Amino acid sequence: GQQLNQSPQSMFIQEGEDVSMNCTSSSIFNTWLWYKQDPGEGPVLLIALYKAGELTSNGRLTAQFGITRKDSFLNISASIPSDVGIYFCAAPQRGGSEKLVFGKGTKLTVNP
Amino acid sequence: GAGVSQTPSNKVTEKGKYVELRCDPISGHTALYWYRQSLGQGPEFLIYFQGTGAADDSGLPNDRFFAVRPEGSVSTLKIQRTERGDSAVYLCASSPTSGAYNEQFFGPGTRLTVL
Repeated sequence: GQQLNQSPQSMFIQEGEDVSMNCTSSSIFNTWLWYKQDPGEGPVLLIALYKAGELTSNGRLTAQFGITRKDSFLNISASIPSDVGIYFCAAPQRGGSEKLVFGKGTKLTVNP
Repeated sequence: GAGVSQTPSNKVTEKGKYVELRCDPISGHTALYWYRQSLGQGPEFLIYFQGTGAADDSGLPNDRFFAVRPEGSVSTLKIQRTERGDSAVYLCASSPTSGAYNEQFFGPGTRLTVL
């Protein structure tokens, strides 16, 4: 099946540090999505990527759609305490499906 | 409220019981999705509605799970003969049309615990 592998599984960083996480697959995807989930809440879309090689920013967040279409990266610059949460990558299953496949998430802890 | 709402927020039931979980999508959103999120995992797709019809129910794990959206707005996920393995957070999402990921919003989920 189409699976997304996220790494690292968890990260512990100091406030002000930059963060990088990635998502890989053995399958090709045409869209990559990055979400953040806070405790007790549903995921919130951070960035959507639609084209191979695309680099998109949203404030301190930057995400890239890998050239091979099998991976994506999310970077957070100058982390702050409210960046704490679980970050998920996701992609629509191939074949025109509305079904989103999610990774297992990267849990980020920011120490003030 | 302008967001997707789900009720109840928490549901505790006994093995073998029947439960219903409700999702109120954003007004005017025609696409509605149900996902299940187990502890430490990402959401897993269950079913997708476009209007009143279930356009893709391939994620429903077995015939104990059923969902309806009779008037194209509110949706109910129904689970019969619950099992302990059904314990998870059930998430609902809606969007104005299919494929509109930038406009797809998730609700806070219903945490189901089967004892």
